[in-house]
Amino acid sequence: ELKVEQNPLFLSMQEGKNYTIYCNYSTTSDRLYWYRQDPGKSLESLFVLLSNGAVKQEGRLMASLDTKARLSTLHITAAVHDLSATYFCAGTSGAGSYQLTFGKGTKLSVIP
Amino acid sequence: NAGVTQTPKFRVLKTGQSMTLLCAQDMNHEYMYWYRQDPGMGLRLIHYSVGEGTTAKGEVPDGYNVSRLKKQNFLLGLESAAPSQTSVYFCASSYNTDYLRGTDTQYFGPGTRLTVL
Repeated sequence: ELKVEQNPLFLSMQEGKNYTIYCNYSTTSDRLYWYRQDPGKSLESLFVLLSNGAVKQEGRLMASLDTKARLSTLHITAAVHDLSATYFCAGTSGAGSYQLTFGKGTKLSVIP
Repeated sequence: NAGVTQTPKFRVLKTGQSMTLLCAQDMNHEYMYWYRQDPGMGLRLIHYSVGEGTTAKGEVPDGYNVSRLKKQNFLLGLESAAPSQTSVYFCASSYNTDYLRGTDTQYFGPGTRLTVL
């Protein structure tokens, strides 16, 4: 059974600073996803990471995947208030599976 | 193109009542999913469907039933609501071909906030 753990669960950071959210998963996952959720809103897809060493970037967010370590990271560069949200990572149960197992989420607050 | 829509947005039930949540998507997606989100728990998969007429259990299926009679609709039913089913319910959909290409993502609806008293 796939388990996905994120840390930290809460993150308060100042604007302009850098930080990393970590996502560990317990067994082989075919791919790794990152989603963003604003308060009271739905989930928005950020990244899909397929293979070892995959790196994707969008604006101030960069996601990477290390399948050997079963670790994905979401790096935030020079944080701005608009990035305040809850970020979820999710993995699949195995090759060919489309059932997602989510982490508990990291609530990010960017303060001036 | 409305994407994924959910009906209703809010609902309050008494213990033992029944209800059906409707999810509709206009993107011609093959796969559809129902999740529940509880505080501090992330999202958990209740049931999913890989095509019209098919359904399968997810991580937390007990107390729920689903049906997918039409490709664009996925219904989630609660036959006898319990306070433990108080949650926010999200529907999502995705393309199977995108999965094969490695470009897949699940598109989520706006959610239904359900309270069971």
